Amino acid sequence: DSGVTQTPKHLITATGQRVTLRCSPRSGDLSVYWYQQSLDQGLQFLIQYYNGEERAKGNILERFSAQQFPDLHSELNLSSLELGDSALYFCASSQSGLPYEKLFFGSGTQLSVL
Amino acid sequence: KNEVEQSPQNLTAQEGEFITINCSYSVGISALHWLQQHPGGGIVSLFMLSSGKKKHGRLIATINIQEKHSSLHITASHPRDSAVYICALNSGAGSYQLTFGKGTKLSVIP
Repeated sequence: DSGVTQTPKHLITATGQRVTLRCSPRSGDLSVYWYQQSLDQGLQFLIQYYNGEERAKGNILERFSAQQFPDLHSELNLSSLELGDSALYFCASSQSGLPYEKLFFGSGTQLSVL
Repeated sequence: KNEVEQSPQNLTAQEGEFITINCSYSVGISALHWLQQHPGGGIVSLFMLSSGKKKHGRLIATINIQEKHSSLHITASHPRDSAVYICALNSGAGSYQLTFGKGTKLSVIP
């Protein structure tokens, strides 16, 4: 058990809808990362937060947004969903958000857009 | 050309065999990570390297910065080692982003 909690584990929705994925980092970790894993693109970095502020942004679509709350949990909001958004979404956390730190991953949210 | 190339894509081994998975990259990096993903999806970070060699149990990871190459070795492989092994790069000083290889699927047969 990594100590990183993601909910829900599975999500099935329709095109055009909006969903929210939730991540609680390990106790004491200040940084949260979001990744998308699809069959054709593999794993891709989406966005990183550190102590409530956005620190780095990767290949995140404009339809997607994220935030980190004062209690350090994070939410990834996906809107106007398309079939191609179907993927496994991972959250990871680290203590200080530095590039050389080990990451701890959640078990992922499997999103299916029908 | 992808920034990160892993080989082989698929690997089947008999239990007890010594296994090597390779990762080559084309950009300067600040660190390289080896990740393990079991069927069912969960990802575990195995190693983070910026130079030299690290060992944990039966797993050994090495990196050659000059040659832009890293290897993950598994000694005395076991069926529970069956998983996808992913190489990921922090490219450039201060980069918080990871760039991922496509993974090597390892199957260890009893």
